[in-house]
Amino acid sequence: EAEVAQSPRYKITEKSQAVAFWCDPISGHATLYWYRQILGQGPELLVQFQDESVVDDSQLPKDRFSAERLKGVDSTLKIQPAELGDSAMYLCASSLNDEQFFGPGTRLTVL
Amino acid sequence: AQTVTQSQPEMSVQEAETVTLSCTYDTSESDYYLFWYKQPPSRQMILVIRQEAYKQQNATENRFSVNFQKAAKSFSLKISDSQLGDAAMYFCAYRFSGTASKLTFGTGTRLQVML
Repeated sequence: EAEVAQSPRYKITEKSQAVAFWCDPISGHATLYWYRQILGQGPELLVQFQDESVVDDSQLPKDRFSAERLKGVDSTLKIQPAELGDSAMYLCASSLNDEQFFGPGTRLTVL
Repeated sequence: AQTVTQSQPEMSVQEAETVTLSCTYDTSESDYYLFWYKQPPSRQMILVIRQEAYKQQNATENRFSVNFQKAAKSFSLKISDSQLGDAAMYFCAYRFSGTASKLTFGTGTRLQVML
């Protein structure tokens, strides 16, 4: 069964450092989402792509976060510089029609 | 803006018993979808059940069923014959029916299943 792949699964970094997360959606899924899940809360959308275009990045802190999906397939989410408050699970999801399929997430800890 | 509220941070159930998780939501839209997602510890989130707002019939998937009350904006999940593998975080989520719309999640309910 096809799955959304994410790497790394865990990342520990010091504040002010740069970090990057990678997501490979299910083949053929045009829509890709990055969510942030703070401990004890539900996921919140950071950015949504339709193919290579950004559809919604209204909740993305653009002073430090960036996301790209250059060829409309895999995607990278970057944080520079990381802050203590960025510690969270970063989830990637993809969809073809109505259902979103989630990856295992990257757990980021900022020290 | 749409909001989803789960008022039960934690619930517990005895194995083989039935448990109901609550969810309320707020929206001004008339056409939307509602979902329950399960997130086991250290594992990825998976879809448990979905409900289209235009359907009056409550969705059912094996041991999982929902009670959808559109006027009350309520969407509860009933798990029958609970199993140890049902232990997880459960998230209620809303999505506008527009193509590829984002999910808005509640804060989750942690379900424990007791032997």
